[in-house]
Amino acid sequence: QLQLQESGSGLVKPSQTLSLTCAVSGGSISSGGYSWYWIRQPPGKGLEWIGYIYHSGSTYYNPSLKSRVTISLDRSKNQFSLKLSSVTAADTAVYYCAGGEGRGDYWGQGTLVNVSS
Amino acid sequence: QSVLTQPPSVSGAPGQRVTISCTGSSSNIGAGYNVHWYQQLPGTAPKLLIYVNNNRPSGVPDRFSGSKSGTSASLAITGLQAEDEADYYCQSYDSSLGGSGGFYVFGTGTKVTVL
Repeated sequence: QLQLQESGSGLVKPSQTLSLTCAVSGGSISSGGYSWYWIRQPPGKGLEWIGYIYHSGSTYYNPSLKSRVTISLDRSKNQFSLKLSSVTAADTAVYYCAGGEGRGDYWGQGTLVNVSS
Repeated sequence: QSVLTQPPSVSGAPGQRVTISCTGSSSNIGAGYNVHWYQQLPGTAPKLLIYVNNNRPSGVPDRFSGSKSGTSASLAITGLQAEDEADYYCQSYDSSLGGSGGFYVFGTGTKVTVL
């Protein structure tokens, strides 16, 4: 059973870069068939895909965020990361990492990131 | 905004049956892409409830069932219980999003209230 855990800064200033990491345990992120996702949820609102990375390292980003997003794998630490640049208050949300086969089979507990000066 | 539309809320008394619709289009559900459903209890991460249209992960009660037809999908909850009070989201893939061939999408979400 895979377990995922997000970590990173909970407070980011406007115009700076949000950085989060998702540690995966109970399995390898290099295993075939799985993709690794970042999803966010603004307070009181619905879910939004940010992007995902295949076990191979190929990345796919939400078109509305593509110019600001980078997702990467760190196979040596069995984790994957999110960087979102030039943040504004609209980026305040609970950020989830997840993994699965075209869906969120496994989820982290989520971490609240507040964008504020 | 999402390309998958759900009713904002549905409600029912304990023991009743409720259904949640997920309306898409020819570039997502209607194109044959799979639909998955999630349950999000208050203050918690979403949990996979139904995968690939009508399959339940291990541990999900058979009170929950999914279906898909044309450009829409539905989640049914039979024998509604108090612990089913949560937000529910559908998810699929849309081939019209972005320049690289498509992207995953969530539905707008539905709050289920047990009366």
